[in-house]
Amino acid sequence: AQSVAQPEDQVNVAEGNPLTVKCTYSVSGNPYLFWYVQYPNRGLQFLLKYITGDNLVKGSYGFEAEFNKSQTSFHLKKPSALVSDSALYFCAVRDIGGNNRLAFGKGNQVVVIP
Amino acid sequence: KAGVTQTPRYLIKTRGQQVTLSCSPISGHRSVSWYQQTPGQGLQFLFEYFSETQRNKGNFPGRFSGRQFSNSRSEMNVSTLELGDSALYLCASSLVEDRTEAFFGQGTRLTVV
Repeated sequence: AQSVAQPEDQVNVAEGNPLTVKCTYSVSGNPYLFWYVQYPNRGLQFLLKYITGDNLVKGSYGFEAEFNKSQTSFHLKKPSALVSDSALYFCAVRDIGGNNRLAFGKGNQVVVIP
Repeated sequence: KAGVTQTPRYLIKTRGQQVTLSCSPISGHRSVSWYQQTPGQGLQFLFEYFSETQRNKGNFPGRFSGRQFSNSRSEMNVSTLELGDSALYLCASSLVEDRTEAFFGQGTRLTVV
């Protein structure tokens, strides 16, 4: 079964510093990978996805993610964090195969310190 | 284009009651999925509907059910509510192709007392 691991509960970073949120995945075949962000009492907002092609994927709000097949990782990055980036971040994986079921990691709380 | 709309936003119910939540997907999206979000269990997949048929189901008891209408709108129902059903219920809509991302509604916050 597909699964995602986000090893850290919380990531603290100073405003202006690089931000990295880690994600590793497990699927039986080639993965479709996604990052979502959630603000308090809101739904999930799509940030970016990896389907195929370039391993470096660029998304919304200056975020990017690097797909690494050998390490089964899909880490989210932002070169310079903003206080407004403070939120809950979820990594998700979907098996290729004709259904839209997503398996989510537990989420990472990102706190950007002014 | 309007986003995914979930109603109501908040609900308070008593143990033993039943509840129905509604989701209107983005226009043109025919796949609707439901997720339960709790602090302890995180985001868990409930079920997915496509063309009025349940296409996939998560590991939840039969008290949780859903349906999809011909206009792709979906409802989920929880019968005999338990305290542990208190959660944020999120609906997501997608195009048919599995390369596309899912778009989520704001969720329905269900509190069972």
